[in-house]
Amino acid sequence: AQTVTQSQPEMSVQEAETVTLSCTYDTSESNYYLFWYKQPPSRQMILVIRQEAYKQQNATENRFSVNFQKAAKSFSLKISDSQLGDTAMYFCAFMKHGPSNSGYALNFGKGTSLLVTP
Amino acid sequence: DAGITQSPRHKVTETGTPVTLRCHQTENHRYMYWYRQDPGHGLRLIHYSYGVKDTDKGEVSDGYSVSRSKTEDFLLTLESATSSQTSVYFCASRGPGDSGANVLTFGAGSRLTVL
Repeated sequence: AQTVTQSQPEMSVQEAETVTLSCTYDTSESNYYLFWYKQPPSRQMILVIRQEAYKQQNATENRFSVNFQKAAKSFSLKISDSQLGDTAMYFCAFMKHGPSNSGYALNFGKGTSLLVTP
Repeated sequence: DAGITQSPRHKVTETGTPVTLRCHQTENHRYMYWYRQDPGHGLRLIHYSYGVKDTDKGEVSDGYSVSRSKTEDFLLTLESATSSQTSVYFCASRGPGDSGANVLTFGAGSRLTVL
């Protein structure tokens, strides 16, 4: 079974600053997907960024980028120019890669609560 | 936005009563999932479905059953609710294939309180 560990239960950052959220995972799979989801107070789960393990290039989505270290099994999320609207719970998640008809689910970490302050 | 809705959004019930949560998606997604979210635990998989009438257990399936008679509907049933099943329940779905189709789309969640 794959496990996902987020070692920072809570973090705080000032508006316009940069913050990095940590995530490590344990797997024997060679190919897989990694995700960061954001859950604001509205409770809606929102995809932030996705990384395919066979791609060496780190994924980027506007102010959000990842540092994917496959050998170290590390997948951190960097948020640049933090905004008040970034305040949310952030979940790191893992999915095995399989045939196109595979129903693999997401395995989630326990989450990091991020507070952006003025 | 993907059309995935959950009902009811909030429910309060008593211990020992049956409860059914419904998930409805209009994306013709093959795969559907039920998760529960509890403080300090993140989201944990209860059951999932890989097609009509095809379901399997997740890591916290005890006390829950599911059914999928149509592609668009995935029901989660608590046969006899207990206080430990007080939680927020999320449904999710995704289509087959690659190129972004491995992304799960989530419903808005259903908050269940068992007294």
